[in-house]
Amino acid sequence: GENVEQHPSTLSVQEGDSAVIKCTYSDSASNYFPWYKQELGKRPQLIIDIRSNVGEKKDQRIAVTLNKTAKHFSLHITETQPEDSAVYFCAATKNNDMRFGAGTRLTVKP
Amino acid sequence: GAGVSQSPSNKVTEKGKDVELRCDPISGHTALYWYRQSLGQGLEFLIYFQGNSAPDKSGLPSDRFSAERTGGSVSTLTIQRTQQEDSAVYLCASSGGGTLTGELFFGEGSRLTVL
Repeated sequence: GENVEQHPSTLSVQEGDSAVIKCTYSDSASNYFPWYKQELGKRPQLIIDIRSNVGEKKDQRIAVTLNKTAKHFSLHITETQPEDSAVYFCAATKNNDMRFGAGTRLTVKP
Repeated sequence: GAGVSQSPSNKVTEKGKDVELRCDPISGHTALYWYRQSLGQGLEFLIYFQGNSAPDKSGLPSDRFSAERTGGSVSTLTIQRTQQEDSAVYLCASSGGGTLTGELFFGEGSRLTVL
């Protein structure tokens, strides 16, 4: 199956700064790349996604970029706020088979 | 139902016992997924179903784990002869399962503790 690597495992930023999380995938046939946010004790929830026919997608303070040639994609959060503190998971999907990265614990310090 | 429903929400069992975890997906969702999350860890893929069939069972940790889905709806994950390392939260998710993969909707999870 698909192998997804995610970095960094932990990330601490000051409120208002930007945060970037990077992922790589192994299977060039993967075509759907969602990002999930999991707050402590809660279930993961989708925050943004991108398909392989698009290079970049933005939704307010969050954006995702995809480089199909290099097989990597990134999540960018600008103007971070304390409520952005959570664990973020990237995923790569082929034919509905979705595999997740190991997660990044983001802490936004006020 | 309104969302993905999992039961039991909590299960404490003794080593060596069998456990069965149930997932009731969102009505009409054809794709169903099982993941395992140990404390503070990531989402470990176990198995996914497209309808009643599981294209890839390689994520199941050992032959003590099995899963089935009948009628294209409810799925059960069975762990036989449980071991302490099986302790984790077992998350189920479902999605529409159409040609284009969409959002996965997760259940609250079943927290399994093996003593």
